[in-house]
Amino acid sequence: TQLLEQSPQFLSIQEGENLTVYCNSSSVFSSLQWYRQEPGEGPVLLVTVVTGGEVKKLKRLTFQFGDARKDSSLHITAAQPGDTGLYLCAGPPFSGTYKYIFGTGTRLKVLA
Amino acid sequence: GAVVSQHPSWVICKSGTSVKIECRSLDFQATTMFWYRQFPKQSLMLMATSNEGSKATYEQGVEKDKFLINHASLTLSTLTVTSAHPEDSSFYICSAHDRPNEKLFFGSGTQLSVL
Repeated sequence: TQLLEQSPQFLSIQEGENLTVYCNSSSVFSSLQWYRQEPGEGPVLLVTVVTGGEVKKLKRLTFQFGDARKDSSLHITAAQPGDTGLYLCAGPPFSGTYKYIFGTGTRLKVLA
Repeated sequence: GAVVSQHPSWVICKSGTSVKIECRSLDFQATTMFWYRQFPKQSLMLMATSNEGSKATYEQGVEKDKFLINHASLTLSTLTVTSAHPEDSSFYICSAHDRPNEKLFFGSGTQLSVL
């Protein structure tokens, strides 16, 4: 069974701090997506990374895809209370399949 | 950007009744949609893959007679929870695959509470 393990599982930090969330697998993914989900809502797509070693920035969020396409990270600079939510990585385990596997999730709480 | 509409957002029903949840892709055609279940503070669990014009494929452990899926058009998939029981109470989310752009977009979810 292919899994996407995220760490940490929970994270509570003060406003202004930096943090990194990791998404790891033993399998190769053709792409990985990162989502943020707030309570009672569906996940919202943040970014898609496709190329090994790729780095994408979205304001204070920096996403990186591992060279071997087995892992990814999300770094948030100067976290704000609005960043609070459940962060999920997901991706198709095989190129051409649309059945995404989801990571175990990282629940982030940013305190004002 | 692409939008997926899910309806209703929440539903409360009596045990034994059936509940239908709709998932629509609003500005793209989706030959493949997915249905997930999410328990509180947990990640999404894939229940089934909905294929336009053909039978849905269910994940191991998901009862196909309990969770009926119909994907009659390129923009609409429905999930019917039949003879619902309290243990079926959960947050159900659909997603639709935007194939040309290789992206997966999610509905806003449906909170089902079975009394």
